[in-house]
Amino acid sequence: ETGVTQTPRHLVMGMTNKKSLKCEQHLGHNAMYWYKQSAKKPLELMFVYSLEERVENNSVPSRFSPECPNSSHLFLHLHTLQPEDSALYLCASSQRPNTEAFFGQGTRLTVV
Amino acid sequence: GIQVEQSPPDLILQEGANSTLRCNFSDSVNNLQWFHQNPWGQLINLFYIPSGTKQNGRLSATTVATERYSLLYISSSQTTDSGVYFCAVDNDYKLSFGAGTTVTVRA
Repeated sequence: ETGVTQTPRHLVMGMTNKKSLKCEQHLGHNAMYWYKQSAKKPLELMFVYSLEERVENNSVPSRFSPECPNSSHLFLHLHTLQPEDSALYLCASSQRPNTEAFFGQGTRLTVV
Repeated sequence: GIQVEQSPPDLILQEGANSTLRCNFSDSVNNLQWFHQNPWGQLINLFYIPSGTKQNGRLSATTVATERYSLLYISSSQTTDSGVYFCAVDNDYKLSFGAGTTVTVRA
């Protein structure tokens, strides 16, 4: 295993479901990020964890709940999502203070 | 926050052609990266280039930090170069992305 790995690659969920996205990095980095990419919009930073502590929350609705149990793993827990939350969710890692980021393959989420 | 503008938004090339993509940013930055997003959505690192010039095969990039812009050059384009190219800059320990340039290379 190398780089940044995200699972699942695709997810379809109903608005009443609860699901989780998983990200794992094998680069020995100390910071991890969640980004959201909606159609026709730039990537939006959602959350930043540095040394397992959340250091940034960009006004993300509470139906998205991140968790960083250790420096290699990052989760995004989803509940009662809306159709407009359908997007590509990308995880990244870097070795702070250097911000050269490496991304996972992404999870394409569809909320029905 | 910092503003990142990429141009052109769309670019159609004939295989073998050369092209230049531009990234302008509104403030001084600690870091600038170029990415290629493949059809499956993954962002592939092309260059980490806060300043200066770098080359990697048919791709090269130049960042002039004092004038707040970066250029990505694609030479002898191939159909596999198709996709979206993103510029991302950091001035607060996090990356801000431009809207991207969609490149289509036709055989």
